[in-house]
Amino acid sequence: EVQLVESGGGLVKPGGSLRLSCAASGFTFSSYSMNWVRQAPGKGLEWVSSISSSSSYIYYADSVKGRFTISRDNAKNSLYLQMNSLRAEDTAVYYCARDQRETPTPHDAFDIWGQGTMVTVSS
Amino acid sequence: AIRMTQSPSSFSASTGDRVTITCRASQGISSYLAWYQQKPGKAPKLLIYAASTLQSGVPSRFSGSGSGTDFTLTISCLQSEDFATYYCQQYYSYSWTFGQGTKVEIK
Repeated sequence: EVQLVESGGGLVKPGGSLRLSCAASGFTFSSYSMNWVRQAPGKGLEWVSSISSSSSYIYYADSVKGRFTISRDNAKNSLYLQMNSLRAEDTAVYYCARDQRETPTPHDAFDIWGQGTMVTVSS
Repeated sequence: AIRMTQSPSSFSASTGDRVTITCRASQGISSYLAWYQQKPGKAPKLLIYAASTLQSGVPSRFSGSGSGTDFTLTISCLQSEDFATYYCQQYYSYSWTFGQGTKVEIK
């Protein structure tokens, strides 16, 4: 079964750090670009970051640029999001999502999503 | 960034109705548009990609059309399981952007 499972969410104080993980299974992880998308409570979806299959191409939303770092370990079938200098407005459910096709750069719809992990930034 | 605007933001409909949701991009995005369905507490689900191609396993009552800046999602005969929130997303240029969502509620 094709599956993505996020972990690492929790409660953190403003200015703190957190590292999210996304474990992939059931497909050739190293062939697909991957993404992080977040959803604040009661709000819509916001794209956060994307990384190509070989990590050659990395993109960030302006709202997280300079604070968040996306990475992947193809040997471990895992995607990561290192979040630093967290703010209250970063409070959201964070989803990892797979690009639909095996292309060298992120440029596709998201066909597989994890169940999400909640990040709460509060003092 | 390209702005995606959906309309309406919400509406009520009955089972069996034909419903249409529109999505407008602030600049041309060719056919690089996807539609997702999200139910409360669940992850989004891809319904349509490339503006009009139905994702595998998605019922044929869902259809998409449009190119450039104006797009539509149509549900031909609304079923009980279709009451949800729908999002459009452009993947034409970074950063990817979603519409604000359209909530379809039971009348």
